[in-house]
Amino acid sequence: GNSVTQMEGPVTLSEEAFLTINCTYTATGYPSLFWYVQYPGEGLQLLLKATKADDKGSNKGFEATYRKETTSFHLEKGSVQVSDSAVYFCALLGGQSGGSNYKLTFGKGTLLTVNP
Amino acid sequence: GAGVSQSPRYKVAKRGQDVALRCDPISGHVSLFWYQQALGQGPEFLTYFQNEAQLDKSGLPSDRFFAERPEGSVSTLKIQRTQQEDSAVYLCASSVRTSGQTYEQYFGPGTRLTVT
Repeated sequence: GNSVTQMEGPVTLSEEAFLTINCTYTATGYPSLFWYVQYPGEGLQLLLKATKADDKGSNKGFEATYRKETTSFHLEKGSVQVSDSAVYFCALLGGQSGGSNYKLTFGKGTLLTVNP
Repeated sequence: GAGVSQSPRYKVAKRGQDVALRCDPISGHVSLFWYQQALGQGPEFLTYFQNEAQLDKSGLPSDRFFAERPEGSVSTLKIQRTQQEDSAVYLCASSVRTSGQTYEQYFGPGTRLTVT
């Protein structure tokens, strides 16, 4: 079945530092890949997505590139802000033979704290 | 427009009590999903509805869990005879079918259930 492995946290950075959160996946087919963000006390929000190999998803200064050859979808941001402090989840959808292409499979999440 | 809403936001139940969690999806969204998020973990799939039909309930952890969506809109997740291991955040998501095979899911804020 599908699985997602993401970098264990917590990650603590200073404002304006560079961020990378690693994510790799296992899927038998060609899934779509997502990064979701969960701010304190709030629900999951879609941050960005990529639906095919070599696609780059981007939003709010964050970006991630769908790398089929390394089965990865690492999240990056050049200069983080205090307001980026949240839990980030890598997820995949689809890519399973035999159907069930509607279940999101999530990683365990990475807590990011950005200090001023 | 309005997003996915869930109620109550917090629920404390004594072991053995029954609980009912409500989800109002985005208007017009055909698909509805329930996920369970244990503390420090990523969400895990519970069940999936397309309109009023429950097409997949493979993730429900036991027969104490029951979900319904009788009119293809609002959904209720019911847990009978709650146990401490049921303590988690229960997330609802909805999506509109797209022309492709992947379904972007929009999440509600979740209901945090604590069983004492």
